[in-house]
Amino acid sequence: DVKVTQSSRYLVKRTGEKVFLECVQDMDHENMFWYRQDPGLGLRLIYFSYDVKMKEKGDIPEGYSVSREKKERFSLILESASTNQTSMYLCASSQSSGRLDEQFFGPGTRLTVL
Amino acid sequence: GQNIDQPTEMTATEGAIVQINCTYQTSGFNGLFWYQQHAGEAPTFLSYNVLDGLEEKGRFSSFLSRSKGYSYLLLKELQMKDSASYLCAPHSGNTPLVFGKGTRLSVIA
Repeated sequence: DVKVTQSSRYLVKRTGEKVFLECVQDMDHENMFWYRQDPGLGLRLIYFSYDVKMKEKGDIPEGYSVSREKKERFSLILESASTNQTSMYLCASSQSSGRLDEQFFGPGTRLTVL
Repeated sequence: GQNIDQPTEMTATEGAIVQINCTYQTSGFNGLFWYQQHAGEAPTFLSYNVLDGLEEKGRFSSFLSRSKGYSYLLLKELQMKDSASYLCAPHSGNTPLVFGKGTRLSVIA
């Protein structure tokens, strides 16, 4: 079974703090994604990566950065956390195989910024 | 960009059948995913349709019409555990999946 793990299920941070959200997948997937999910807005793509050291902006990259130094690990960084970044953050990975880009999701990190 | 439209909420009775519709507008369409997401949990894969028509998988079936930009998820013999959000995600080209806002289904006794 594909497993995508995230470093924390719940996180509380203060405004202005630097926040690291870690995601690790164990199936040698090339593609990794970070989403945030908010009521009424659905899943929105923040950043994604198709390979080590590569990153692409999604729909809402402002206030975030990412790092992919190893294939299995994709980190989301909030340089200076703000209250409007309180959200559920979901990491996903997929193997590009032509027919199916099925994304496997981690359990999510519920981040609260005070 | 993509426009994805699905109802926000639906309610159905245990044992009944419910159909969740999704319409979309996208270029370079490959196929369409449906995901299920229980409250507080991650989305999990339900189905992927590439060709027109109905694909059945147990109590769940998914339909696609490529020419109409339309899909639906059909849930039969509803159970309480089917209460969840159902996310429609058309897949285009080599771009990441874009998800609809989801339909929250409540199954009542």
